[in-house]
Amino acid sequence: AQKVTQAQTEISVVEKEDVTLDCVYETRDTTYYLFWYKQPPSGELVFLIRRNSFDEQNEISGRYSWNFQKSTSSFNFTITASQVVDSAVYFCALKTGANNLFFGTGTRLTVIP
Amino acid sequence: GAGVSQTPSNKVTEKGKYVELRCDPISGHTALYWYRQSLGQGPEFLIYFQGTGAADDSGLPNDRFFAVRPEGSVSTLKIQRTERGDSAVYLCASSIYAREANEQFFGPGTRLTVL
Repeated sequence: AQKVTQAQTEISVVEKEDVTLDCVYETRDTTYYLFWYKQPPSGELVFLIRRNSFDEQNEISGRYSWNFQKSTSSFNFTITASQVVDSAVYFCALKTGANNLFFGTGTRLTVIP
Repeated sequence: GAGVSQTPSNKVTEKGKYVELRCDPISGHTALYWYRQSLGQGPEFLIYFQGTGAADDSGLPNDRFFAVRPEGSVSTLKIQRTERGDSAVYLCASSIYAREANEQFFGPGTRLTVL
């Protein structure tokens, strides 16, 4: 069975602080994909990144970076120098042989000006 | 280009009524997905279509829920005899085709409230 755990329900940081959102996943499949989506107050899920199980290279995109570690089944997301516009709910998701996404329960990030 | 669109954005209905929720995927996307998101939770899979056929409907909670995609583009999620527990945001997503690697692009959702 697939499972995605986002243990942090809510996080608040002051603007310009760095913040890391944790994601731990479970699957028996050897081939899988991990995703992060952002859900701003408007409600529409916005795709941020996709990672496949064979690529453990960390990725950086502007202020965003992702750390994928198969040894700990984690796919953590760091925002550097956070901004108020980063305030949203962030979801980690897993996709295996099935085509649907398994989502975690999300982490609500509030960036305080 | 246009993204995934969903109508209506909000739907309020009474317990026992029938509702239809519509999804217009991104043009050219052959795979279409329905999810349901309850308050404070992540989206939960309901059903997905590859073309006109429902390739996986294992997430539909019971036989009151049904979805169609007759021409391989627009899809309608149908809920019969609505119950208060059906209240949620119903999200639609599409991808270029159904493959593990392909990201899904989500619409803004339809917020369904059953009184």
